[in-house]
Amino acid sequence: DGGITQSPKYLFRKEGQNVTLSCEQNLNHDAMYWYRQDPGQGLRLIYYSQIVNDFQKGDIAEGYSVSREKKESFPLTVTSAQKNPTAFYLCAASGGPGETQYFGPGTRLLVL
Amino acid sequence: RKEVEQDPGPFNVPEGATVAFNCTYSNSASQSFFWYRQDCRKEPKLLMSVYSSGNEDGRFTAQLNRASQYISLLIRDSKLSDSATYLCVVWAGNMLTFGGGTRLMVKP
Repeated sequence: DGGITQSPKYLFRKEGQNVTLSCEQNLNHDAMYWYRQDPGQGLRLIYYSQIVNDFQKGDIAEGYSVSREKKESFPLTVTSAQKNPTAFYLCAASGGPGETQYFGPGTRLLVL
Repeated sequence: RKEVEQDPGPFNVPEGATVAFNCTYSNSASQSFFWYRQDCRKEPKLLMSVYSSGNEDGRFTAQLNRASQYISLLIRDSKLSDSATYLCVVWAGNMLTFGGGTRLMVKP
């Protein structure tokens, strides 16, 4: 069954804690993306990676970090520097620029 | 000015109605265009790509007007299951930009 998986579905973060959101794809797509969605808002790009071992900042990268050590994996770490992390986080993959992006089911991050 | 703008709605329509959404984009170099559908608390899913000549998929018709820099989505014979938020998405260079979405509510 091909697709994109994200885990966990819900994540709770304490003040000052770093948390990592998982994103795995078996679509063999080169490009992967992380977005943040706040209630009633559109998607905003956090980071993207067009190829293994390379990634670029998006519009709202501050307080986040990523790695791309394997083609199928693109984990996102929400650091303690991100002061307002409560949001819906969506991971996506595509064959490349201009091509359709396919999304994972998302992770909801809540701050305790 | 936002790069991709949509009327947030909500559009409240009865079943069977025809409804149209527009979306404007600011980057004249934009290359690819899509409509996505997002259900409440779910991920966006591709509804259809938008081609220069316009394209149709069942009850859904998408059109692109490059001169005026807008795309449109027409839904005919609305179903209750069409209730969702519709996201306009534009590729320019290496970046995909999402509109804020238009919420549609189809009522019995």
